[in-house]
Amino acid sequence: VQLVQSGAEVKKPGESLKISCKASGYDFTNFWIAWVRQTPGKGLEWMGLIYPGDSHARYSPSFQGQVAFSVDKSITTAYLQWSSLKASDTAMYYCRTTVAYNVDVWGQGTTVTVSS
Amino acid sequence: DVVMTQSPLSLPVTLGQPASISCRSSQSLVYSDGNAYLNWFQQRPGQSPRRLIYKVSNRDSGVPDRFSGSGSGTDFTLKISRVEAEDVGVYYCMQGTHWPETFGQGTKVEIK
Repeated sequence: VQLVQSGAEVKKPGESLKISCKASGYDFTNFWIAWVRQTPGKGLEWMGLIYPGDSHARYSPSFQGQVAFSVDKSITTAYLQWSSLKASDTAMYYCRTTVAYNVDVWGQGTTVTVSS
Repeated sequence: DVVMTQSPLSLPVTLGQPASISCRSSQSLVYSDGNAYLNWFQQRPGQSPRRLIYKVSNRDSGVPDRFSGSGSGTDFTLKISRVEAEDVGVYYCMQGTHWPETFGQGTKVEIK
């Protein structure tokens, strides 16, 4: 079971961005994928999750309307996207899934830097 | 949101000695099914978080048995029976009972 995330991104405020999380080694459609943000100031923050089977997404209130989750089942990949980045979006972003009671897997993280 | 408060925030330990981290929640973490969805994660320097304990006291696959979790309601503890060099890192509790799921601030474990 593995989650492999896309590489580091450097963007300007106002730009859009889509980062990816490629899943392998398990039935992608049957297990939710969550997104977690990590910053030095606020630590780990739960952004929400998406269920690849039906693309149903649930967002933490802090992130509702700020980001969007999506999946492409054909390539077992989940996405996190922004339509207009802010400097405050600068962070490390992780995807995560739990495929059994005792098997919890995280991606390696994607660093996003937003700076003018 | 449920606030998770960890203590201490920094924990210097001697190799081979025990260590203990406390985590308190602002609300009971007992869900309607009777379970408390309290997890513990370890984040080694430069690595992604890794879950050690789920539902208070269950070790994840591959986690050494020197790690144990306990607690109920709003008070939870992670214990390391004998600290090893590879245990250096930041430890987080996280509740999954109430939406949104929330993390503690983290406890940095270092070797004296």
